[in-house]
Amino acid sequence: GEDVEQSLFLSVREGDSSVINCTYTDSSSTYLYWYKQEPGAGLQLLTYIFSNMDMKQDQRLTVLLNKKDKHLSLRIADTQTGDSAIYFCAETHQGGKLIFGQGTELSVKP
Amino acid sequence: DTGVSQNPRHKITKRGQNVTFRCDPISEHNRLYWYRQTLGQGPEFLTYFQNEAQLEKSRLLSDRFSAERPKGSFSTLEIQRTEQGDSAMYLCASSFGGVGNEKLFFGSGTQLSVL
Repeated sequence: GEDVEQSLFLSVREGDSSVINCTYTDSSSTYLYWYKQEPGAGLQLLTYIFSNMDMKQDQRLTVLLNKKDKHLSLRIADTQTGDSAIYFCAETHQGGKLIFGQGTELSVKP
Repeated sequence: DTGVSQNPRHKITKRGQNVTFRCDPISEHNRLYWYRQTLGQGPEFLTYFQNEAQLEKSRLLSDRFSAERPKGSFSTLEIQRTEQGDSAMYLCASSFGGVGNEKLFFGSGTQLSVL
């Protein structure tokens, strides 16, 4: 099917690491993306990874890609209360459109 | 450049009325996308344009929905004879990249409420 799957909720304490997981479907996706959405706002591109890479690090963000299992993860180091938001993974489908998961709501407790 | 702009931010309408939303993409972007998002869900693809050409429409998109991008710049999304099930956030995004490199930049969305 076309479903990109994510767990719905994650709760962590400030200063801990957060790991958000995603399973995608289209093995031909050239890029895979992570977006962040704060309440009442549109989606903000956080980071992305090219499909021939296993890992990408960008400051506090680390993206891991397991192509064999079609598994993507986003690790946020030293999570802050400002990181509380909904995080979406997305894959590219034929024709260039992005298909999004349901989103993972990250709650950071002080 | 202030990013992707959508108007209005909120729209309340009565069932059966027609509504039109506007999206102004980032100026150098040649691709423009419309998505719909309901509470607790990820954005659902509706349609997209490359320049003025509409390249794809979701098969889930009712005939009551029509989108245009007449000069390859701004786009409008019209919903005719609105239904309560049309209530959602309508998101516009734009990009400048070839196939396989679709970094989409989103607007803040238009929240539609159909009473």
